[in-house]
Amino acid sequence: GAGVSQSPSNKVTEKGKDVELRCDPISGHTALYWYRQSLGQGLEFLIYFQGNSAPDKSGLPSDRFSAERTGGSVSTLTIQRTQQEDSAVYLCASSPTEGDTQYFGPGTRLTVL
Amino acid sequence: AQSVTQPDIHITVSEGASLELRCNYSYGATPYLFWYVQSPGQGLQLLLKYFSGDTLVQGIKGFEAEFKRSQSSFNLRKPSVHWSDAAEYFCAVVDGRDYKLSFGAGTTVTVRA
Repeated sequence: GAGVSQSPSNKVTEKGKDVELRCDPISGHTALYWYRQSLGQGLEFLIYFQGNSAPDKSGLPSDRFSAERTGGSVSTLTIQRTQQEDSAVYLCASSPTEGDTQYFGPGTRLTVL
Repeated sequence: AQSVTQPDIHITVSEGASLELRCNYSYGATPYLFWYVQSPGQGLQLLLKYFSGDTLVQGIKGFEAEFKRSQSSFNLRKPSVHWSDAAEYFCAVVDGRDYKLSFGAGTTVTVRA
């Protein structure tokens, strides 16, 4: 498969637990983005990685959210001490370079009970 | 502040009829413009994009969109809708100085037989 992949596709967790969401971008794409899609807020930007530059974390809603990108490829979004308002679909996208077309993965649906 | 407006939350159209989805944006300069489609439980699929040049752009699945600078609009059209076009459609922009996608609230399209 040549597209963006995400895992798991669904995650159900209990309030207060930590979760990790994974994104595998398209090979060769230097830019990687995380977005969140929720009923109340629509689609919103979370964080952006470009090459070896420091990530743009301006969209992260709280310090419980963090992300890393290892080796310029795979990225992990971590949510600590999950809350019910964190329930959403988390979408990852990659692009050949910043400002170019973003290609999206299928998303991870997170449900916090 | 940057914004994207999709005035229609929900549109119902008969199979075979034409479809037009509206999108207006608010930016200081000409942004990069995109239309994405999302089927239930799926990620976002790119339909078409406008960066520069010809203001009428063709996309996949028979869709086209026209950029009108004077109206700050980027409306999506399809001459004849198929039942498989039932989905949610998102207009998005990237400011030329930025790389984050800003999305409209989306328009849900229902196709009736």
